[in-house]
Amino acid sequence: DQQVKQNSPSLSVQEGRISILNCDYTNSMFDYFLWYKKYPAEGPTFLISISSIKDKNEDGRFTVFLNKSAKHLSLHIVPSQPGDSAVYFCAASEGGITGGGNKLTFGTGTQLKVEL
Amino acid sequence: GAVVSQHPSWVICKSGTSVKIECRSLDFQATTMFWYRQFPKQSLMLMATSNEGSKATYEQGVEKDKFLINHASLTLSTLTVTSAHPEDSSFYICSARDHGRGRGIHEQYFGPGTRLTVT
Repeated sequence: DQQVKQNSPSLSVQEGRISILNCDYTNSMFDYFLWYKKYPAEGPTFLISISSIKDKNEDGRFTVFLNKSAKHLSLHIVPSQPGDSAVYFCAASEGGITGGGNKLTFGTGTQLKVEL
Repeated sequence: GAVVSQHPSWVICKSGTSVKIECRSLDFQATTMFWYRQFPKQSLMLMATSNEGSKATYEQGVEKDKFLINHASLTLSTLTVTSAHPEDSSFYICSARDHGRGRGIHEQYFGPGTRLTVT
């Protein structure tokens, strides 16, 4: 049972445009959400997170939006750069920012390609 | 800072043999380490959580006698796949929680992964 889903396995965007990566979840107990970026042969690196008490969190070019009623979150990258080309995973946890039992549930990832 | 290494980066072993994967936190102490498994085009699935000096906590469906986890020090955890079979072929990733930096769950740093192929 995939509790966190990323329905788009890949996304291609032109440099300078906006990249929008989507993520849906089914477990209503999730209250903290994270986005990770992964390059080939490297482990995922933390990018940005959002608590369920918020609907938006922004950090530079990266903004995460959360729609609790729809159980949907999205990551916006503006402007997109070639160096952003990577696999992006969304993840969710219960227990707020401290993560309760530390367990992260990951989506399947979206391969973003930013073209010149 | 917050670097996690894994060794080996890839390994091929014969069916029935055992293979050990190491996960090290290089510049911080990790009281908690995690082991994940990733099949092609699938998500990272948490296998187990290990706390230094105590037994690992395995997720439902993960055979603890097959996937032995040892977290003997604050900087090293090992995963041993015993009596490996072709279906154990996968990408194994560890992560380590840096409690010294903060209490946030995002303070979890991942290793580069180990590709295991069982022939």
